[in-house]
Amino acid sequence: RKEVEQDPGPFNVPEGATVAFNCTYSNSASQSFFWYRQDCRKEPKLLMSVYSSGNEDGRFTAQLNRASQYISLLIRDSKLSDSATYLCAVSSGTYKYIFGTGTRLKVLA
Amino acid sequence: EPEVTQTPSHQVTQMGQEVILRCVPISNHLYFYWYRQILGQKVEFLVSFYNNEISEKSEIFDDQFSVERPDGSNFTLKIRSTKLEDSAMYFCAGKILAASSYEQYFGPGTRLTVT
Repeated sequence: RKEVEQDPGPFNVPEGATVAFNCTYSNSASQSFFWYRQDCRKEPKLLMSVYSSGNEDGRFTAQLNRASQYISLLIRDSKLSDSATYLCAVSSGTYKYIFGTGTRLKVLA
Repeated sequence: EPEVTQTPSHQVTQMGQEVILRCVPISNHLYFYWYRQILGQKVEFLVSFYNNEISEKSEIFDDQFSVERPDGSNFTLKIRSTKLEDSAMYFCAGKILAASSYEQYFGPGTRLTVT
């Protein structure tokens, strides 16, 4: 089983739609979880950290399910500008990140 | 807002040549990382660096690779003898010292093309 797995997509959704991505991780000792956004040939940009209690930032909501070892990202009211690849990153006590392959989102007009 | 910077943005080199990729981390970052991303693939951890020494490295980071922070600001990745398969985007990242904070901030990357 891969350390961090994501559905590569693409997810093609119309503007205004709600879309959700999941990311599963295999190491139960993982401590920190993140969602990054990556535009084509650019660096990963931190979207949000994922806390046990879940967290929300505007149209974005992230959840962590430790029992089932996955994190999720929900995007409400999708905008054209949300089109990007969304990377899940998982960190254990050594601080390095293990990334998933990313999920590609295309928001269509 | 301070940002991580990397130079050059694009480096073309011939197989067997040495390259040095440079990064200037954010000033309050004390943990530093190099990652690479081969085109179409995932971002992969190479090495982490803290207190002027390597704290962890991946199996990708073999004897051809080295890192240093020569002057307290720049953080460099050297590839001694490049191979075709070293062609990738190389990202530098940094993290603040606080043990409770795991967030890393990435530079814009250097695209390395080995011909």
